[in-house]
Amino acid sequence: DTAVSQTPKYLVTQMGNDKSIKCEQNLGHDTMYWYKQDSKKFLKIMFSYNNKELIINETVPNRFSPKSPDKAHLNLHINSLELGDSAVYFCASSLGQHNSPLHFGNGTRLTVT
Amino acid sequence: GDSVTQMEGPVTLSEEAFLTINCTYTATGYPSLFWYVQYPGEGLQLLLKATKADDKGSNKGFEATYRKETTSFHLEKGSVQVSDSAVYFCALRANTGNQFYFGTGTSLTVIP
Repeated sequence: DTAVSQTPKYLVTQMGNDKSIKCEQNLGHDTMYWYKQDSKKFLKIMFSYNNKELIINETVPNRFSPKSPDKAHLNLHINSLELGDSAVYFCASSLGQHNSPLHFGNGTRLTVT
Repeated sequence: GDSVTQMEGPVTLSEEAFLTINCTYTATGYPSLFWYVQYPGEGLQLLLKATKADDKGSNKGFEATYRKETTSFHLEKGSVQVSDSAVYFCALRANTGNQFYFGTGTSLTVIP
């Protein structure tokens, strides 16, 4: 199936731990994104990479570090997890043309206890 | 800067009622406009899009028309079903760059 896939779907961990979320797309897109969705469903852009280069880097704690080994993968590593990091994290991808939509993964629900 | 303002919810309708969810935008030039739908426990799915003024996007009985003069992209459906219960997001992509701007989402519940 052609899609944006992210793992794991659920992640439950304790404060202070370090965790990673992986994302892969096989749509041939050149731009990938990480979004955070809070409990009120508000979507906040965190990062975006275009062909492995960081192009969007919003105000996000530096405990969050994205990594793009190639243009089909964008992983998110989070250090020293805090309670406020609990949210759903979505990976997405798009082509570079301005009329191209975002394609989203199914999300990773992170719960920090 | 660019932004999207979306009708606040939640919205509750009876089955077969008419749906309108308002969306207005601020952008320079001619952005592309999108509606996404998020069903419970799932990611956002593209519902429809319009990429230039007066374009009408449509899918699954939903429609939205790109109105440059009123900077709007309202979502409509003539007869909603229980299965349409979801959160709906209006979004724009500027005509340059890779940034997308999302509205705050509107939760729709359709009751039988």
